[in-house]
Amino acid sequence: AQKVTQAQTEISVVEKEDVTLDCVYETRDTTYYLFWYKQPPSGELVFLIRRNSFDEQNEISGRYSWNFQKSTSSFNFTITASQVVDSAVYFCALDQGAQKLVFGQGTRLTINP
Amino acid sequence: DTEVTQTPKHLVMGMTNKKSLKCEQHMGHRAMYWYKQKAKKPPELMFVYSYEKLSINESVPSRFSPECPNSSLLNLHLHALQPEDSALYLCASSPTDRGNEKLFFGSGTQLSVL
Repeated sequence: AQKVTQAQTEISVVEKEDVTLDCVYETRDTTYYLFWYKQPPSGELVFLIRRNSFDEQNEISGRYSWNFQKSTSSFNFTITASQVVDSAVYFCALDQGAQKLVFGQGTRLTINP
Repeated sequence: DTEVTQTPKHLVMGMTNKKSLKCEQHMGHRAMYWYKQKAKKPPELMFVYSYEKLSINESVPSRFSPECPNSSLLNLHLHALQPEDSALYLCASSPTDRGNEKLFFGSGTQLSVL
């Protein structure tokens, strides 16, 4: 069975702190895709990144970075120098094929000024 | 235009009402999705249309009836809903039916069933 675990239900930090959101996944497939989405209070899910199982390179996009480690089945997301606008619910998701995403339970991130 | 537009943003309906949710995209995407999201939970897939044909129905009760009149438009017809159907209903689209693609989401319709 495919599963995504985001053990951190809620995280609260002060602005400018670095914060890491954890994501652990389970799959028996050798080819798979992992995603991160952000859901601000406005409701829509905003795509952040897609990573396939053959590409273990870490990625950096501005203040955001992702660490993909197949050995530990983890795909963690770090925000450097957090800002209030980063406050949102963040979902890690695993594509299980056939247009179906398995979402983790989400991590609610609050950045306090 | 990289938006998925959903209307209405909020909807309150009684259990005997019939209402419809609308979703529109003009990105030329050929797959469109309905998700249901309860408070503090992740989105759950309900339906997928690929090239205007229903390709996935995740065993959704028949009181929810999807419709895809054309490649840009997706509707969700609601009838005889229950209070537990109150949720945020999200529409999404993707360029093809391949899967593994990023989804473009609308901001949802917040539905309350009284």
